[in-house]
Amino acid sequence: AQSVTQLGSHVSVSEGALVLLRCNYSSSVPPYLFWYVQYPNQGLQLLLKYTSAATLVKGINGFEAEFKKSETSFHLTKPSAHMSDADEYFCAVTGGADGLTFGKGTHLIIQP
Amino acid sequence: DVKVTQSSRYLVKRTGEKVFLECVQDMDHENMFWYRQDPGLGLRLIYFSYDVKMKEKGDIPEGYSVSREKKERFSLILESASTNQTSMYLCASTGLRGASATQYFGPGTRLLVL
Repeated sequence: AQSVTQLGSHVSVSEGALVLLRCNYSSSVPPYLFWYVQYPNQGLQLLLKYTSAATLVKGINGFEAEFKKSETSFHLTKPSAHMSDADEYFCAVTGGADGLTFGKGTHLIIQP
Repeated sequence: DVKVTQSSRYLVKRTGEKVFLECVQDMDHENMFWYRQDPGLGLRLIYFSYDVKMKEKGDIPEGYSVSREKKERFSLILESASTNQTSMYLCASTGLRGASATQYFGPGTRLLVL
């Protein structure tokens, strides 16, 4: 079984500041990890995924995430926040072939 | 580009009605999924299907059923809608079976049960 914990249902940063969205996972098998973004009134779009090839994963829109097995974490970062980054972000894990297990989501708020 | 479409963006139904939510993908994907999304709970897996006529229960199948008669179409059925099924429903598909496969999502159907 697997689970995901996203710390903070809302995260607020200033425009131009570092974005850090936290994700910790639990999995009984080597995990595959995903970050998705949800635009308003739309489905989810993949930002990036970890599939064991490299621990630092680069995604779209300047986001990246680092897999740390010792900390069971997969935090999402972006060096400089833009107003257009204000959306909801979901971390997800899968250890088997049967669908994704999602965290509860984090709303990213960008302050001008 | 993969395209996953859902038949309705918004639906309003009454308690006890039978409700059909339709999902179609245009990339010949074998695997399709239904999730529901609720504030503060994230997305939870209802049912999935690996092939035509096949279905598997996810984490919260109670009150739902599914149908997959054609490869491109996966329907979610609420046999007798209840107010606690008011939610956003998201369909997804993937062409690969396996834990690393990327799922592609439709835009969602927001269902209100009165």
